[in-house]
Amino acid sequence: KNEVEQSPQNLTAQEGEFITINCSYSVGISALHWLQQHPGGGIVSLFMLSSGKKKHGRLIATINIQEKHSSLHITASHPRDSAVYICAVYRMDSNYQLIWGAGTKLIIKP
Amino acid sequence: SQTIHQWPATLVQPVGSPLSLECTVEGTSNPNLYWYRQAAGRGLQLLFYSVGIGQISSEVPQNLSASRPQDRQFILSSKKLLLSDSGFYLCAWTPGGGYTFGSGTRLTVV
Repeated sequence: KNEVEQSPQNLTAQEGEFITINCSYSVGISALHWLQQHPGGGIVSLFMLSSGKKKHGRLIATINIQEKHSSLHITASHPRDSAVYICAVYRMDSNYQLIWGAGTKLIIKP
Repeated sequence: SQTIHQWPATLVQPVGSPLSLECTVEGTSNPNLYWYRQAAGRGLQLLFYSVGIGQISSEVPQNLSASRPQDRQFILSSKKLLLSDSGFYLCAWTPGGGYTFGSGTRLTVV
């Protein structure tokens, strides 16, 4: 079993829909990272969080340390949000190495 | 400002040829540096990381090697490429928390 599991693997939605991507992990972590990978391959960091909730524009990330679970939400989704969203965690005992989820491929149709 | 440069952006190399990918960081000193690979349709895999000049840790036994000749320079090399070396290679750095990624190199071994 992977140490970081994401769901769903693929998600197709209509423009304007509220999107939720889930991430569960099985190791002790110091923080969790949400990243976005565009079709060309470039990766952008969206959030790094260790507790609670963060918001940036239409993106919201939450984490529940006790339940070892995080969610990424996109409000009023837009076709430009189409990308692969990746959850990654910093293990507590690591030298800032990330354990990566497999990613969620999101397609927003106009 | 802190930036990371990675080149080349794309590369097509024949099997058995050598490889050299370079990554440099600006605006910081003594960063942790990482090389990741993403095979087609798969998640990111950590290949090497370095916490200082000449200090390289390998995560996965393979056909590749890494070197850090200067504080802000990280090089990924191979003496003889294999078909299985094809993929998307990303350099990343962290000052101790958040990750910043290079733009990536798409390598196709033919």
